[in-house]
Amino acid sequence: EIVLTQSPGTLSLSPGERATLSCRASQSVSSSSLAWYQQKPGQAPRLLIYGASSRATGIPDRFSGSGYGTDFTLTISRLEPEDLAVYYCQQYGSSPCSFGQGTKLEIK
Amino acid sequence: EVQVLESGGGLVQPGGSLRLSCAASGLTFSSYAMGWVRQAPGKGLEWVSGISSSGGGTYYADSVKGRFTISRDNSKNTLYLQMNSLRAEDTAVYYCAKSPLAARPYYMDVWGRGTTVTVSS
Repeated sequence: EIVLTQSPGTLSLSPGERATLSCRASQSVSSSSLAWYQQKPGQAPRLLIYGASSRATGIPDRFSGSGYGTDFTLTISRLEPEDLAVYYCQQYGSSPCSFGQGTKLEIK
Repeated sequence: EVQVLESGGGLVQPGGSLRLSCAASGLTFSSYAMGWVRQAPGKGLEWVSGISSSGGGTYYADSVKGRFTISRDNSKNTLYLQMNSLRAEDTAVYYCAKSPLAARPYYMDVWGRGTTVTVSS
């Protein structure tokens, strides 16, 4: 099973700043099969990014994904207060699928 | 609008069984793989199980293999998760989710609100 490690565990930034979230895999993720989700307090997860860099329907272009192999990044430019959430990466290239442990984004 | 709605959660004793259901609407259910993801209280997401659009392919996390069985009834637009030999560590909110592809559960583009399973004596 591929283990995903996300860093940092918590990120505290101000509105308008840029957030960079990391997801590192224990082995190469095939075909860039990496997704990112946002989970706001009390809500179900929402798909942000798939295929490492493709935005899901309705996701603002402030959210972008990059990376390949074992290192992936979610970037949120120009943070807004509603970006307060936990962000998870997921690999789906190898069975079983697996999630990272999450990065909590706090807005100052 | 595509929606999935879970049901069947509740309180069950250790060693007991429970069957979760997920009713889908607003889509051609038989065209998409589906899956279950859970979240223990205060913890992160854990992928549990997935099934191909036809039901011919099933996939399980090691933590539930041999105890949980995923299935689907495409005539009823419904996904199921039969959970046997339940343990305290199975306590979680269980989310039903849709994959945008057919072959196997890839990433999930539509999620339900979840149903809570509590395993306790």
